[in-house]
Amino acid sequence: SQTIHQWPATLVQPVGSPLSLECTVEGTSNPNLYWYRQAAGRGLQLLFYSVGIGQISSEVPQNLSASRPQDRQFILSSKKLLLSDSGFYLCAWTTGTYNEQFFGPGTRLTVL
Amino acid sequence: GQNIDQPTEMTATEGAIVQINCTYQTSGFNGLFWYQQHAGEAPTFLSYNVLDGLEEKGRFSSFLSRSKGYSYLLLKELQMKDSASYLCAVFPRAYQLIWGAGTKLIIKP
Repeated sequence: SQTIHQWPATLVQPVGSPLSLECTVEGTSNPNLYWYRQAAGRGLQLLFYSVGIGQISSEVPQNLSASRPQDRQFILSSKKLLLSDSGFYLCAWTTGTYNEQFFGPGTRLTVL
Repeated sequence: GQNIDQPTEMTATEGAIVQINCTYQTSGFNGLFWYQQHAGEAPTFLSYNVLDGLEEKGRFSSFLSRSKGYSYLLLKELQMKDSASYLCAVFPRAYQLIWGAGTKLIIKP
């Protein structure tokens, strides 16, 4: 069966510090991978998606970036965090273009 | 633009039935999803509709009318564990799922 991992679960970072969040998927090949952010009481905002190694599509201009160095690994990064980057970051995977997405446990980021 | 509307909060009684509505205005349509999200946790998939009509899965059913841009999620025989947020999401185009803000459902004994 397929499993998706995210770490860390919780992170508190000062403004201006760098960020690296990692997501890995097990039990499937060539997944489509997604990064979302959810602010408190809000819906999910799509940040990036990837349909293959090295292929990244950005949905929202911001100080975040994403990379996919391996088939089942997706990384979200920032060089300098802003207060507005606080939120619940979720990684998801799917197969196909319009199929249901399966989420990792998420990382709760607080920028102080 | 893309817009998905859901009620912010609903309250229901254990054992009862509740209907959560979702209306959408999107540039395209390739399917509508319902997800359940417990506080502090990731969303989990509940149902998918791409054609008009009702899809039933146990205590949960979901309905879609594409001409009206409308869907609802019906929860029967409510249990305390159904207290959660319910998120409606639409695929207007490939790979890009647009999400509503979610409906927080409170179940009272």
